[in-house]
Amino acid sequence: DTGVSQNPRHKITKRGQNVTFRCDPISEHNRLYWYRQTLGQGPEFLTYFQNEAQLEKSRLLSDRFSAERPKGSFSTLEIQRTEQGDSAMYLCASSSSHATSGGPTDTQYFGPGTRLTVL
Amino acid sequence: AQKITQTQPGMFVQEKEAVTLDCTYDTSDQSYGLFWYKQPSSGEMIFLIYQGSYDEQNATEGRYSLNFQKARKSANLVISASQLGDSAMYFCAMREGGRDSSYKLIFGSGTRLLVRP
Repeated sequence: DTGVSQNPRHKITKRGQNVTFRCDPISEHNRLYWYRQTLGQGPEFLTYFQNEAQLEKSRLLSDRFSAERPKGSFSTLEIQRTEQGDSAMYLCASSSSHATSGGPTDTQYFGPGTRLTVL
Repeated sequence: AQKITQTQPGMFVQEKEAVTLDCTYDTSDQSYGLFWYKQPSSGEMIFLIYQGSYDEQNATEGRYSLNFQKARKSANLVISASQLGDSAMYFCAMREGGRDSSYKLIFGSGTRLLVRP
């Protein structure tokens, strides 16, 4: 059972450029989440998918952010016209709405994150 | 509003001793779940332990136990027999569990634990 994977692990970009991150969840997990974590803080929720449907978006997710999960498997998070304030660690997590042996239902398991630096 | 408070920015513990990391929470829901995650310097959040609001017994998972005091709205993590590899950031998180609740986790600001040899 492989864990959640995220690519790239690091991204450096110039202000104004677009960036896209990918998340591959644990294979049997139907729920997928994106969080953002800035230095010295806990992660903050951005958005959540159940299968391919995006069911909730945080107010943190401005118009420049878009997330997709086209076939209910991997997900992408795109940031358009990046700003220096977008510099952060972007974490992806997945969970299952069905009971599994790995923990209580809907325990979120996180990937290693993508660290974004906007110059 | 949902909120998680971790009042200890940093903690030291001697190797092989026990340590308690504090967490208090605020919610108006009767049904909720409390989680602890460990984040080493590599950045990945590692799930440690879970406590449901209706669980009558404190959760335990190996060297980790959760001291759940519902009336005081606290969910402290106890790590017994600390090891050097326990040095990391520790986050307490909450998920509200009502039928129409979101599945998002609300995190505290974390506690950095340093285990001394």
